[in-house]
Amino acid sequence: DAKTTQPPSMDCAEGRAANLPCNHSTISGNEYVYWYRQIHSQGPQYIIHGLKNNETNEMASLIITEDRKSSTLILPHATLRDTAVYYCIVRVLNSGYALNFGKGTSLLVTP
Amino acid sequence: GEEVAQTPKHLVRGEGQKAKLYCAPIKGHSYVFWYQQVLKNEFKFLISFQNENVFDETGMPKERFSAKCLPNSPCSLEIQATKLEDSAVYFCASSQDVGASPNTEAFFGQGTRLTVV
Repeated sequence: DAKTTQPPSMDCAEGRAANLPCNHSTISGNEYVYWYRQIHSQGPQYIIHGLKNNETNEMASLIITEDRKSSTLILPHATLRDTAVYYCIVRVLNSGYALNFGKGTSLLVTP
Repeated sequence: GEEVAQTPKHLVRGEGQKAKLYCAPIKGHSYVFWYQQVLKNEFKFLISFQNENVFDETGMPKERFSAKCLPNSPCSLEIQATKLEDSAVYFCASSQDVGASPNTEAFFGQGTRLTVV
């Protein structure tokens, strides 16, 4: 299974861009990178996913390096409500597409 | 419905008792996933379904745990003879599709917190 590595915690000032890195050096060619977040103890929330091109939606942008070994999730203008644990996940295509969450990055947005 | 509905929100069971958790996926979603979150930040995949068929059960404990997704009924996760170590939040998720298609994001319910005492 492709594993991901994320920093355990990060801080970001409100209104600034939050850039969350993720390493996935063993990713296979047809595996997508997904990002989810868990706010407090709520159910995980889908943010964005991509294969090799950069992606943007109303929540965030996803930048994937050309070799696909790492990616960065960008929250362009972080708010206090973005404080959460962010999970970078490589979809496990050979195991029924389960999400392998890992430990994630705990992002604290400060006033 | 438009969201994944899990019931009950909280469940307390004595050791050895049975626990049954329910999940109603989003209408039109063919795939259902169950995850267990024991400690903060640590999720464990349990089982997935494609409609009423088991899709992947590689994470399911061999004993005491079972799950079903029957037509026109909520999916269920049942734990026979609960143990203290089963205390966790159990999340259900559904998705329209899996694999490399566009509609593969999973939508999660708010979870059922099981406490075994």
